[in-house]
Amino acid sequence: NAGVTQTPKFQVLKTGQSMTLQCAQDMNHNSMYWYRQDPGMGLRLIYYSASEGTTDKGEVPNGYNVSRLNKREFSLRLESAAPSQTSVYFCASSESYTRKTQYFGPGTRLLVL
Amino acid sequence: AQRVTQPEKLLSVFKGAPVELKCNYSYSGSPELFWYVQYSRQRLQLLLRHISRESIKGFTADLNKGETSFHLKKPFAQEEDSAMYYCAQGVGNEKLTFGTGTRLTIIP
Repeated sequence: NAGVTQTPKFQVLKTGQSMTLQCAQDMNHNSMYWYRQDPGMGLRLIYYSASEGTTDKGEVPNGYNVSRLNKREFSLRLESAAPSQTSVYFCASSESYTRKTQYFGPGTRLLVL
Repeated sequence: AQRVTQPEKLLSVFKGAPVELKCNYSYSGSPELFWYVQYSRQRLQLLLRHISRESIKGFTADLNKGETSFHLKKPFAQEEDSAMYYCAQGVGNEKLTFGTGTRLTIIP
């Protein structure tokens, strides 16, 4: 049982480049989330998917898009990366939107030059 | 919007001394409350939930509805407790709300 997995672990981008961060969970969870973690800002929710087939904006969605590919996978796309998107990105999942305990992936460190 | 306040960004405690990480939540009813821990360059892990009333790694957290607080405590700090700690609140159909975190450093 791998839990929540994320790829890549680390990525360097140039301003304007695009990339997709991948997330998968094997716990049969319905809800999935993308956060960014910045020093002094804590965790901020970018997008979430309460259930397969639905996605919603979180606190800081600008510059990002998401796809809930199936129940297991939830990807985050940066269409045109900016230095302000340099951060650590965490994916998480929970049994459902009302079952609040979330389980986190190992994170992706993204550096945008 | 729901809010979780962790007033200390940084906290340093000597090994063997008691630890208290403060957390105040905004919901006036009965939220679900959590503490998550993140060791250096690792993923966030659930430390404890208030509904479980459990003690993990010697940590406990008491819910005080009058003060809307859910402070995390440990009587004797250990070096391996050095980490980032996040308090989180869950209310009804709303998403989980995290505080900004407290970085705890245990001084040998």
